[in-house]
Amino acid sequence: DAGVTQSPTHLIKTRGQHVTLRCSPISGHKSVSWYQQVLGQGPQFIFQYYEKEERGRGNFPDRFSARQFPNYSSELNVNALLLGDSALYLCASSLWTGGDQPQHFGDGTRLSIL
Amino acid sequence: QQQVKQSPQSLIVQKGGIPIINCAYENTAFDYFPWYQQFPGKGPALLIAIRPDVSEKKEGRFTISFNKSAKQFSLHIMDSQPGDSATYFCAASMIGGADGLTFGKGTHLIIQP
Repeated sequence: DAGVTQSPTHLIKTRGQHVTLRCSPISGHKSVSWYQQVLGQGPQFIFQYYEKEERGRGNFPDRFSARQFPNYSSELNVNALLLGDSALYLCASSLWTGGDQPQHFGDGTRLSIL
Repeated sequence: QQQVKQSPQSLIVQKGGIPIINCAYENTAFDYFPWYQQFPGKGPALLIAIRPDVSEKKEGRFTISFNKSAKQFSLHIMDSQPGDSATYFCAASMIGGADGLTFGKGTHLIIQP
């Protein structure tokens, strides 16, 4: 079975632009979470979605938004990009919500802001 | 505020040795503690996880030790191999919550042949 797939793998944007990152969860998984991983740091939680509803949100500004579609895939949107948004954005899926659900991560989208 | 503190930042061990990575948490509401392994260019992969009702859990060559009173937990890798060279992250979450995983800053482990 395919794992979590993310697209694109790499992306270069300039300050002030908008970006959309996409994630397809493992088949049968209904929960998707997004994390930001800055170089040399651990991933930081951004959002969790379950059954198309936002179930959790980390300490990120309103420039960050996400949604989940009926097929459980998800998009992360970031507006008004800043240099500090340069990071690896990881998507993780799990069968359902709950803090003890094993999170299966994709290989991420590397976003570079110039 | 860093809720999960991980040490050491980097670690070099000879093949066959037992690297030990330590983590301490602050939020007593955490009740699920996984460890992840990440290779360059890849996403984190779940290795092993523990709940605070047990003090130790083993899966293959990986062992978690948990000390609830000290709010500390550690990962031991038995019979380490060069292929274990990677970055390891401890994490914590609340089973009944939806606030995701809180990760430590990671330990860059090198196993020398």
